[in-house]
Amino acid sequence: GQNIDQPTEMTATEGAIVQINCTYQTSGFNGLFWYQQHAGEAPTFLSYNVLDGLEEKGRFSSFLSRSKGYSYLLLKELQMKDSASYLCAVRDEDYKLSFGAGTTVTVRA
Amino acid sequence: ETGVTQTPRHLVMGMTNKKSLKCEQHLGHNAMYWYKQSAKKPLELMFVYNFKEQTENNSVPSRFSPECPNSSHLFLHLHTLQPEDSALYLCASSQEGIASGGQETQYFGPGTRLLVL
Repeated sequence: GQNIDQPTEMTATEGAIVQINCTYQTSGFNGLFWYQQHAGEAPTFLSYNVLDGLEEKGRFSSFLSRSKGYSYLLLKELQMKDSASYLCAVRDEDYKLSFGAGTTVTVRA
Repeated sequence: ETGVTQTPRHLVMGMTNKKSLKCEQHLGHNAMYWYKQSAKKPLELMFVYNFKEQTENNSVPSRFSPECPNSSHLFLHLHTLQPEDSALYLCASSQEGIASGGQETQYFGPGTRLLVL
């Protein structure tokens, strides 16, 4: 099985940078995903890492270290619309996803 | 628009009722999933269907009964539920297989908010 930990809540100011950490212990690893979920809406795909290193997509970047069981999602130039829950999910060798409980990010003006 | 739709969006039912949740994906995917999302808890995988065959039943109580008549439709039949079953039920789909290039992102529907009284 998988054990996935991420902070419950984070608050940041508009225009700032926030880093959401995710640590995992797994019985198998086949990729790590980050999803964004606004209240009352579906989770939407943000990023995918399967090799060590940084993946950049506009204002969002995701980093993975497989040896450390660690990932982070970096949100730059925060906007009010970035207020949401961010879900870290690890895929095992059977292609099943296990999710963390999510980090609620609140962006303040 | 994620290409995955779910109905109803909200459902209130008594413990003796029988109801069904419906999911439809318009993405041509070959795998579909049911998840349960409770407040402040991780998404819990309930069922997985690949090519209409159930490949995963994650120790889900028998009061939840899935049905996958074809690769585009997925149902979750509910009967004699308990108040602790109140949650957001999310459907997802993905394209599984080597040809998908390894990413096989899951696309989620908006969910059905279920309240059991």
